[in-house]
Amino acid sequence: DGGITQSPKYLFRKEGQNVTLSCEQNLNHDAMYWYRQDPGQGLRLIYYSQIVNDFQKGDIAEGYSVSREKKESFPLTVTSAQKNPTAFYLCASSPGDTDTQYFGPGTRLTVL
Amino acid sequence: GQQLNQSPQSMFIQEGEDVSMNCTSSSIFNTWLWYKQDPGEGPVLLIALYKAGELTSNGRLTAQFGITRKDSFLNISASIPSDVGIYFCAGQLMNRDDKIIFGKGTRLHILP
Repeated sequence: DGGITQSPKYLFRKEGQNVTLSCEQNLNHDAMYWYRQDPGQGLRLIYYSQIVNDFQKGDIAEGYSVSREKKESFPLTVTSAQKNPTAFYLCASSPGDTDTQYFGPGTRLTVL
Repeated sequence: GQQLNQSPQSMFIQEGEDVSMNCTSSSIFNTWLWYKQDPGEGPVLLIALYKAGELTSNGRLTAQFGITRKDSFLNISASIPSDVGIYFCAGQLMNRDDKIIFGKGTRLHILP
């Protein structure tokens, strides 16, 4: 089945620890994105990558880091510098010829 | 920054009623997208619009790309219980990079 997978579905971490969220797609999409969603809020862009080995900051990149070593993978690290990391994190991808984004199922991160 | 104004924020309707929601902006868009998000899941693409004036249906859903390129609406006819969720509009600005901007969502409730 083609699609976008995020793992794990739920993640718990202690304050001060870095944590990496996985995002994989087998749609052969060029672009990938990470969003953060807080309760009752819309989606805010953290980072995006339009091509392998290249990525750009979104609107709320502080306290996060990413890598894009492979076309199908775009992991997001939530660092200890992120002041309020508890949130629902969504990964998306889009093909190179359109802007239409397709989302993964999300990872809910809770920092205790 | 650029903004999409999505309204209403929430709706309470009876099963069987028709629903209408819209997104507006002071900026011009070249793509409009409508998504539905169920609780704890990633948004699912419902309809994508690429041309001004375009009217597209997907089952009981109909969406239109406004002639001015500054707005879009989504209608749902004969609502059913599984229509409950959050509906997001998203658009890509003209003369911008590939980032897409999301509205804050319309939360649809169906009364028993």
